Amino acid sequence: AQSVTQLGSHVSVSEGALVLLRCNYSSSVPPYLFWYVQYPNQGLQLLLKYTTGATLVKGINGFEAEFKKSETSFHLTKPSAHMSDAAEYFCAVETGNNRLAFGKGNQVVVIP
Amino acid sequence: DTGVSQDPRHKITKRGQNVTFRCDPISEHNRLYWYRQTLGQGPEFLTYFQNEAQLEKSRLLSDRFSAERPKGSFSTLEIQRTEQGDSAMYLCASSLPTGGSQYFGPGTRLLVL
Repeated sequence: AQSVTQLGSHVSVSEGALVLLRCNYSSSVPPYLFWYVQYPNQGLQLLLKYTTGATLVKGINGFEAEFKKSETSFHLTKPSAHMSDAAEYFCAVETGNNRLAFGKGNQVVVIP
Repeated sequence: DTGVSQDPRHKITKRGQNVTFRCDPISEHNRLYWYRQTLGQGPEFLTYFQNEAQLEKSRLLSDRFSAERPKGSFSTLEIQRTEQGDSAMYLCASSLPTGGSQYFGPGTRLLVL
């Protein structure tokens, strides 16, 4: 069954520093991969997705992610953290039967 | 495009009571999904519809849970005889057919006392 692993539930980053959130997936079929962001007491907002084609995917708010099949990874990065990036981030893989399987999430804290 | 909406946003109920939540998807989306999210966890799939047909149910969806989408537009999720373990955020999402991204609503936060 398809699944994702996100390590480190809490990630602290200084304002202006690189944001790096790691996601590794397990899938028996070519995966569709997603990153979502969730602000307190809100639903999930799609940041970016990978389906096929170019392995470097650019999303909203300056985020990007790179699909690396050899490493079964889909890490999320942003060159310079902003205070507004403080939120919870979820990596997800779409299974063959249309459901999304989510990781446990990373709570990002931005330190001024 | 008004996005996915859910009602109510918050619900407090006593154990044993029944509750019903509503989800209105993005108008042209024919797929609708329900997920449950507990504190500190990612969302977990419950069920999904294509038009009015319920095509898959997770084993998380016990017999106290029922979901409907009678006209292929809005959907309702009912929980009968609520238990404290049902306390969670219930998220709805919608998408176009295969390959479409899922867009989430703001969720309904349920607290069972």
